[in-house]
Amino acid sequence: EAQLVESGGGLVRPGGSLRLSCVTSGFAFGSYGMDWVRQSLGKGLEWVAAINVAGDYLHYADSVKGRFTISRDDSGNTLYLQMNNVRDDDTAVYYCARPDIKGASVGAFDIWGQGTLVTVSS
Amino acid sequence: SYGLTQPLSVSVALGQTARITCGGDNIGSKNVHWYQKKTGQAPVLVICRGTERPSGIPERFSGSNSGNTATLTINGAQGGDEADYYCQVWHTSAVFFGAGTKLTVL
Repeated sequence: EAQLVESGGGLVRPGGSLRLSCVTSGFAFGSYGMDWVRQSLGKGLEWVAAINVAGDYLHYADSVKGRFTISRDDSGNTLYLQMNNVRDDDTAVYYCARPDIKGASVGAFDIWGQGTLVTVSS
Repeated sequence: SYGLTQPLSVSVALGQTARITCGGDNIGSKNVHWYQKKTGQAPVLVICRGTERPSGIPERFSGSNSGNTATLTINGAQGGDEADYYCQVWHTSAVFFGAGTKLTVL
């Protein structure tokens, strides 16, 4: 069974940094692109970033471009999100999500992690 | 950017049919995906590519997509279907979600 487990969330001050991890299992991680999606309290889902299989096709939401970096470690079956210069409005539950088609970096997200909470506050 | 318009809320009587719309410019030409989101839980994909139902999703969930509107239909709505529903598309190198529709089953 495919599983995604996020970690690394917590309390961070505005302007600070945090790295989120998403450990995967139960499927061929190296054959799938991956994404990060977030949800702020009381608000809707917001796509954050996508990475392709090779790790050289990176796309970001305008709200995080230049501050966040998505990456992957295929040897460890792990997806990362490096968050720099965080702002109050980055406070959210962050989910990693897998597109349902091999080789695609986006599409229908059929597998989701349980999420990790990031709180930006001074 | 690509705007997706969903009603804030939809109510349906138990056992009746609920329809949730997602409006977007020529959305009929795009692959639209629908998610069910309950508080404290991860989203669940209920319809992909406009009309496909993933394995394990009940047959009462169906979708359509044409022109400027995609629609998620829930036939015979159950109490367990109460949730927020989001539509999603891919457009010019980015993913966009609708603002979400809260479904209430009366």
